[in-house]
Amino acid sequence: KAGVTQTPRYLIKTRGQQVTLSCSPISGHRSVSWYQQTPGQGLQFLFEYFSETQRNKGNFPGRFSGRQFSNSRSEMNVSTLELGDSALYLCASTDSGGTNTQYFGPGTRLTVL
Amino acid sequence: AQSVTQLGSHVSVSEGALVLLRCNYSSSVPPYLFWYVQYPNQGLQLLLKYTSAATLVKGINGFEAEFKKSETSFHLTKPSAHMSDAAEYFCAVTSNSGGYQKVTFGTGTKLQVIP
Repeated sequence: KAGVTQTPRYLIKTRGQQVTLSCSPISGHRSVSWYQQTPGQGLQFLFEYFSETQRNKGNFPGRFSGRQFSNSRSEMNVSTLELGDSALYLCASTDSGGTNTQYFGPGTRLTVL
Repeated sequence: AQSVTQLGSHVSVSEGALVLLRCNYSSSVPPYLFWYVQYPNQGLQLLLKYTSAATLVKGINGFEAEFKKSETSFHLTKPSAHMSDAAEYFCAVTSNSGGYQKVTFGTGTKLQVIP
C-alpha cells in the first residue's frame, strides 16, 4: 500500500495570508490526525478526523481548521498567518482495526515571513 | 488522562555503546505503546509497538523495547549504537477516550551518537 502523502512539501507565505495543506491517508484508513511540530513546543496535536467528522481537537486557536472528505483525504487550513505558525505540519493516518497505530506522512514545512 | 514521560530530552552515546531511551506512561490499564523515530525534516517512522502479545518487542534497525507493567515503563534499547541512529525518538501511548483510542506522544528524546 502507498504511504501517507502530504502536499505541498514546502511552503512559504507572508503574515496575514492563509494556507491550505493536504493529506492523503493510507488506503482503507478512515482516521486522519494533524500535528504541528516546532523546535520550541515540540509535537502538538491539532485535530483528528474520522469519517468526515472531527472527533478530537487540540488547544489551538480558531484560525486552525480542518476537514475530511468522503474519500478520507483531509485538508487543514490556517488563516491570518502569524510568524509563530512556521512549523512542520505532520499528518498521520490511523489503522483503526485494533491497535490504532498511526502512520505519518513526510510533513509540510511552512515558513511564514 | 493518559500521559507519557520521556526522561532526558537529549541523550549522547558513543558509537558501539548501548542505547537506552526511557519512557514511562500513566495508566492502570495496559495500553498500546509505540516508539517512533524522526530524522531531520521528515515525518515520524514507526519503530515498534506493544500490543500485549509479548512484553519484549523487537522493532526495525535493531531496536527493541520491554513492557514492564509494574514499572509502567516501555524503555527503548539497542545493544550497539550506530551513527545512523542519531535522530529524535518519540514514545506514544493510547488511551480510551469516548469509545475510541486516543494517542498521546511524549516530548521526544534527541539521540546523539559520538564517533
